Amino acid sequence: DTGVSQDPRHKITKRGQNVTFRCDPISEHNRLYWYRQTLGQGPEFLTYFQNEAQLEKSRLLSDRFSAERPKGSFSTLEIQRTEQGDSAMYLCASSLPRGNNSPLHFGNGTRLTVT
Amino acid sequence: GNSVTQMEGPVTLSEEAFLTINCTYTATGYPSLFWYVQYPGEGLQLLLKATKADDKGSNKGFEATYRKETTSFHLEKGSVQVSDSAVYFCALKRETSGSRLTFGEGTQLTVNP
Repeated sequence: DTGVSQDPRHKITKRGQNVTFRCDPISEHNRLYWYRQTLGQGPEFLTYFQNEAQLEKSRLLSDRFSAERPKGSFSTLEIQRTEQGDSAMYLCASSLPRGNNSPLHFGNGTRLTVT
Repeated sequence: GNSVTQMEGPVTLSEEAFLTINCTYTATGYPSLFWYVQYPGEGLQLLLKATKADDKGSNKGFEATYRKETTSFHLEKGSVQVSDSAVYFCALKRETSGSRLTFGEGTQLTVNP
């Protein structure tokens, strides 16, 4: 069990640029989640996949955000035309689908800074 | 909607002191309740959980009891250590939310030697 891996750890970009983050879940986990965490706040749900299907999206996920999980393994989160308000820690988590009580395993996150 | 409210931080204690971090929730139905911990520079880790009323979750000396009558899930530890310094998040998951968690805002704990 190598845990949930996220890349990069840090990303600094200029406003208006596009950025893409990658998440590799624990290998046998078929559920994958993206959360966003701003300073001093708890994580906020963005979206979740079961295998390759994106089953739920938060209202926080504006049209500039898109997430994919094409083969049901790793996932990418792209933000287009970044804004300073997008600066946050982006967390990925994965879990097994054992009812609704399977714990989420989080990665260390990607910290995005938009200048 | 669903929400989680934690006591305001930061909390600063001396080693071996008693810890309580309050957590109350608002949710329909019978959610599952969790405490996650985030050590500096690391991702969130599940600390403990409780899935039904009166359940007590425990791990690493920490405990929390699911109190439906007061909609609370307070975190306690009898004797904290410097290594417990971290941010603690209370969270809930509804029965039908597909593992989606709703988190509180987090409580920063600092334990001094």
